[in-house]
Parts: sequence; structure tokens; C-alpha cells
Amino acid sequence: AQRVTQPEKLLSVFKGAPVELKCNYSYSGSPELFWYVQYSRQRLQLLLRHISRESIKGFTADLNKGETSFHLKKPFAQEEDSAMYYCALTPLTGANNLFFGTGTRLTVIP
Amino acid sequence: DAGVIQSPRHEVTEMGQEVTLRCKPISGHDYLFWYRQTMMRGLELLIYFNNNVPIDDSGMPEDRFSAKMPNASFSTLKIQPSEPRDSAVYFCASSFGGSGRETQYFGPGTRLLVL
Repeated sequence: AQRVTQPEKLLSVFKGAPVELKCNYSYSGSPELFWYVQYSRQRLQLLLRHISRESIKGFTADLNKGETSFHLKKPFAQEEDSAMYYCALTPLTGANNLFFGTGTRLTVIP
Repeated sequence: DAGVIQSPRHEVTEMGQEVTLRCKPISGHDYLFWYRQTMMRGLELLIYFNNNVPIDDSGMPEDRFSAKMPNASFSTLKIQPSEPRDSAVYFCASSFGGSGRETQYFGPGTRLLVL
């Protein structure tokens, strides 16, 4: 069965400091991994997906199959990065239902 | 495009009452998902539809929960009877395609409080 683990419920960093939000997964096949973000009073929205290998708002995430991790990183945190971040997994075979982690609330301290 | 529309945005009800949550997906999307968000468990998939047909309802917590999608532009999630532990934010999302790589677009959510 698939499982997504985000070990930190809360994470605080100072503005300008590097930030890393951890995500580990368990799945027997090859999954597609995503990061979704929910800013205050906004809808949950896709931030990035591993298959695109893109950087969004300065964030990157590398899929490490050996460690089954998909950590989200940004070298210099900004105040506007404060939000709830969810790591999610979907099996590449079958339908595209998303399995979410429990989320990490990031607070960037000015 | 207004995106995924959910109503009501807030619902306060008493234990034992029936609650109906509504969702209008983005036009043209063929997948619709219902999620529940709680502090303890985060986001959990309850059920999803493909072309109006329920595909996986294994996340529906109990028989008190039911969901329907009578047409491509409307879905309901019903709780009867409601209980305080059902208090949560319920999200609807839709996507186009089912390869596993499509972005899901979320509605604003319905915040439910059962007293």
C-alpha cells in the first residue's frame, strides 16, 4: 500500500535561510510525486511535480528512489512562502487518485 | 473560469442532522475527487468519480457517508446522520485525464462543524 510521510507538522525558518520540507514515501511501484501548497485563504494548488523537473517560486524537489524521499527545498526562504505544504503521491498505473501526507506548516520569520 | 465551485462554504449543524455538500467541477474535466481535511489526519481521499461513475469509495469512513454524481457538472457528498467527529474541511477537486500526471484543481472547501 502507498503511504506518504511528512515528519514535521510545523517548521519555522528565518527569512533568507534555507528551507527543506521532508517527504518520504512507500510504494511498491513507480509513483508520481507532487508538492501541493495552500497559502492563507487560498485554494490548495499544485506547486511542482517531480516529472517536470522544474523550479517553481525558487522551490525544487528531487526524487531519491534509493531513500524513497521527495524533499522540497529552497535556498533562501521568503515571507510569502509561509503556507501549508503537502507532499502527494499517485500511482502511475491505474487511476490518478492522490495520496497526501499530513502536511507541514511552514512559517518564515521576518 | 471560476474553477471548482463548492457550496456551502461554511456549514454548522447539530448532531444527527443531514448534511449535503455540493461541488461543480471545471467544465470538461472527467475526474472528480472528494477529500476531507483534519488537523490530525491531513488530507484524505474519500471517493472519486470518472465520467460520473464512482471508481473508488474505499476512503468513505462509514455508511453514513454517500456521494453521487448525477451528471458531469455536479456532485454531492451527503452525511446522514452527522456526528461531531465529521467536523472538518471537505474539498472537491477535478482533473482532466487519468494517466496519473494531471494536475488536480481544488475548490475552496466547505468547512463543516457538527455540534
